[in-house]
Amino acid sequence: DAGVIQSPRHEVTEMGQEVTLRCKPISGHNSLFWYRQTMMRGLELLIYFNNNVPIDDSGMPEDRFSAKMPNASFSTLKIQPSEPRDSAVYFCASSGPGLGWGETQYFGPGTRLLVL
Amino acid sequence: SQQGEEDPQALSIQEGENATMNCSYKTSINNLQWYRQNSGRGLVHLILIRSNEREKHSGRLRVTLDTSKKSSSLLITASRAADTASYFCATDVDGTSYGKLTFGQGTILTVHP
Repeated sequence: DAGVIQSPRHEVTEMGQEVTLRCKPISGHNSLFWYRQTMMRGLELLIYFNNNVPIDDSGMPEDRFSAKMPNASFSTLKIQPSEPRDSAVYFCASSGPGLGWGETQYFGPGTRLLVL
Repeated sequence: SQQGEEDPQALSIQEGENATMNCSYKTSINNLQWYRQNSGRGLVHLILIRSNEREKHSGRLRVTLDTSKKSSSLLITASRAADTASYFCATDVDGTSYGKLTFGQGTILTVHP
C-alpha cells in the first residue's frame, strides 16, 4: 500500500495567489482529515469528511479556505487568496473503514506551504 | 486548556534511559492513541489503548490509562537516539464518530547518544 499521498510536497507562492493542496487517501478508508501544523498553534483539525461528505468544517479558519472530496480517492484543500499567515505544514490523514471511533489515522507526508 | 495535553513539553535524556510522557484529557473517551512525529514528517501511529484497558505494551513502549484521573502515560524503555521525535496523544471523544481525534500539543523528546 502506498499510504496517504499528498502533493505538492513543497509550495512557495506569493500573497494573493490561489493554492491547491491535493490528497489521495488509502484505498478503502472512508474518513479523510485535513490538518494544519504550526509552531504557534500546533496541530489543528481544519475539516473532515466521511464517505466523501464534509462532517465538520468548524476548524476552517475563514472563507478563504475551502475543501472538496469529489470521490473516495481524492480531496483538495484550496486557499484563495493566500496570505503569509497561512504558511504552515498541511497534513492529510485517512482512517477506516468502520464505525469511526477507535480508528487509527494514517498521515501523509504533508505539504509545506510558504506564502511570501 | 485543551483535550489531550502532554507533559512535559520537552524531555532530554541519554541513550539507554527511560522516557516517560504524560497526557491528560477532559471528557469521556472511547480510546486514547499515541503518535510519533519525526522532524519534517507526518505523524505515525504507535499504540492504541481502549477505555476499558489499563495497560498495554508494544515492544519498548508501555502505555497506561487511568480513566478516573483522565490521564495516560507513555513509557519508552531503553531509549535510542532514533527515538528522538515529538510524541502526541490523541483522544477519540466518546459519543463522536467518523474517527475524529483531538491531538495534544506534543512532547519533544531528545535522546542524546
